[in-house]
Amino acid sequence: EVVLTQSPGTLSLSPGERATLSCRASQSVSSSYLAWYQQKAGQAPRLLIYGASSRPAGIPDRFRGSGSGRDFTLTISRLEPEDFAVYYCQQYGSSPLVSFGGGTKVEIK
Amino acid sequence: QVQLVQSGAEAKKPGASMKVSCKASGYTFTDSYIHWVRQAPGQGLEWMGRINPSSGDTNYAQNFQGRVTMTRDASITTAYVELNRLRSDDTAVYYCARTYCSGDSCFFHFDYWGQGTLVTVSS
Repeated sequence: EVVLTQSPGTLSLSPGERATLSCRASQSVSSSYLAWYQQKAGQAPRLLIYGASSRPAGIPDRFRGSGSGRDFTLTISRLEPEDFAVYYCQQYGSSPLVSFGGGTKVEIK
Repeated sequence: QVQLVQSGAEAKKPGASMKVSCKASGYTFTDSYIHWVRQAPGQGLEWMGRINPSSGDTNYAQNFQGRVTMTRDASITTAYVELNRLRSDDTAVYYCARTYCSGDSCFFHFDYWGQGTLVTVSS
């Protein structure tokens, strides 16, 4: 079973700062199968990154995904006020078929 | 544009069943998988399973085996999730989400989500 562990649990930063979020898998995950989502209170998750590093249309380029194997990173280069939210990583393809990390909350310092 | 529109909130008693619908539009319904993901209050995301709208084939997460049934009615481009023998810890927002397929190639991320349906289980 693939378990995704996200760290830190909470990140307290100021607008304009850089955020670095980690997602570590209990076993190797194909980069094609790793995605990141942003969720704001009362809203459905929104896809930010797929294939570990690709951005869907409409996602600002301040969001960057990287990593391979067991270690993946989401970097937000300069935090905008609307970026304060909870972020989840997700893997697809290993047992279980889909799993999510526990989330990282990015809050205003 | 692609839309997934879910049915409204439900209040259920312990031991009862729930059934939530997800109406898809803006794409070919039978081309892409529909998944169900739930989120308990203040908690993270939990994958429940998926259905292939073309064949009706399903894959369920181990935690829900024996209690969950996913179905679809392709004639009205709607997917359903039914959960039986409800408990208080089934109180959650239930989301449907799509993984897109094009021909024989499928993607592995959820590009569109429904708005969520709150199911509250309480005596």
